[in-house]
Amino acid sequence: GAGVSQSPSNKVTEKGKDVELRCDPISGHTALYWYRQSLGQGLEFLIYFQGNSAPDKSGLPSDRFSAERTGGSVSTLTIQRTQQEDSAVYLCASSFLGGAGEQYFGPGTRLTVT
Amino acid sequence: GDSVTQMEGPVTLSEEAFLTINCTYTATGYPSLFWYVQYPGEGLQLLLKATKADDKGSNKGFEATYRKETTSFHLEKGSVQVSDSAVYFCALSDLLRSNDYKLSFGAGTTVTVRA
Repeated sequence: GAGVSQSPSNKVTEKGKDVELRCDPISGHTALYWYRQSLGQGLEFLIYFQGNSAPDKSGLPSDRFSAERTGGSVSTLTIQRTQQEDSAVYLCASSFLGGAGEQYFGPGTRLTVT
Repeated sequence: GDSVTQMEGPVTLSEEAFLTINCTYTATGYPSLFWYVQYPGEGLQLLLKATKADDKGSNKGFEATYRKETTSFHLEKGSVQVSDSAVYFCALSDLLRSNDYKLSFGAGTTVTVRA
């Protein structure tokens, strides 16, 4: 079946603008994760969804970052008033509940803030 | 908190050489351990996993054994190919600590295999 998809694949925005990043998980996967991959910080966890609720938001770096998930499927990560330090690759992963929680990653969205 | 430390790269090898990438972890619970691989221009892919002590994960000729006594999960391959050139990430999830499976990653090790 189809894997995790993300859009856009690349996004260039000006400092101060808002951006929305989309993730479409594997059908049937109830858990969804957002991570960020940057040169300085490596791979960092941002937020976890189980269904439509987000019981773990501990990785969101500031209140400019928010995310939602609707219908237990698509998720949107929103960054308001973008800053240059937000430049990174944003990765989405999904998994089914149970097992070892192995996660399947999307190709990522490369965000560049100019 | 939970953390993963893996050997720094880059690592450059000749084809058919033996590869080892060291990974050690710190966790309060009983974590599951993973190796993910990122090939050039591609997304992260799960390479192998182990969920309890002494488990051995294996895939594509790669192996790693979950060693609780040394808190390690070293990745090995006996004979690498040019196609193994990639960035390798060691990771853990600690359900007991975080109540979810979020992954903590090492910094990644870039491996280049020359023909």
